[in-house]
Amino acid sequence: GENVEQHPSTLSVQEGDSAVIKCTYSDSASNYFPWYKQELGKGPQLIIDIRSNVGEKKDQRIAVTLNKTAKHFSLHITETQPEDSAVYFCAASIGDAGKSTFGDGTTLTVKP
Amino acid sequence: GAVVSQHPSWVICKSGTSVKIECRSLDFQATTMFWYRQFPKQSLMLMATSNEGSKATYEQGVEKDKFLINHASLTLSTLTVTSAHPEDSSFYICSAKFRGITWPLHFGNGTRLTVT
Repeated sequence: GENVEQHPSTLSVQEGDSAVIKCTYSDSASNYFPWYKQELGKGPQLIIDIRSNVGEKKDQRIAVTLNKTAKHFSLHITETQPEDSAVYFCAASIGDAGKSTFGDGTTLTVKP
Repeated sequence: GAVVSQHPSWVICKSGTSVKIECRSLDFQATTMFWYRQFPKQSLMLMATSNEGSKATYEQGVEKDKFLINHASLTLSTLTVTSAHPEDSSFYICSAKFRGITWPLHFGNGTRLTVT
């Protein structure tokens, strides 16, 4: 089955700096890659996603890049703010069944 | 606003009792709902896939007789943890797939289960 590895497990940045989180996946058939933000005691919230036919997608301060050949994708957050502090999960999905394999998560701390 | 409502948000029960968690899709029909379990500082682990009107499909290692899933309507799926034990204490999360649309999934806010 699919295996998703996520790095780093923890990331601390100063407010205003950029943060990058990377994920690799194993199954080349994966075609949908969402990123979720999870705050303490809450469910995951989709922040951005990318499909396999696109190399990059941006939404304000958040961007995701996908390298299908290398089977990795990354989340980029620019101009970080303290409210960006949370756990971020990547996921990889195959087909239309709706099943995703999640990375282990990255705890992002933005210091004011 | 939220498109998936999960209830209760937290529950404490005694060992040996059963607990039911509800996952409702608001304003849309969810043909498929997914149930996950998340232990502290860990990732989401898919437990089962619930399709409206049919039996749930459980992931390997998940006891179907312990975690009963019912998806009786297009807007409601329930997870019942039967004969709960302290090791069942966890954060349970559901997600829903719109009818006719796979992505993105919409997640509930989770249920914190504590078994004493």
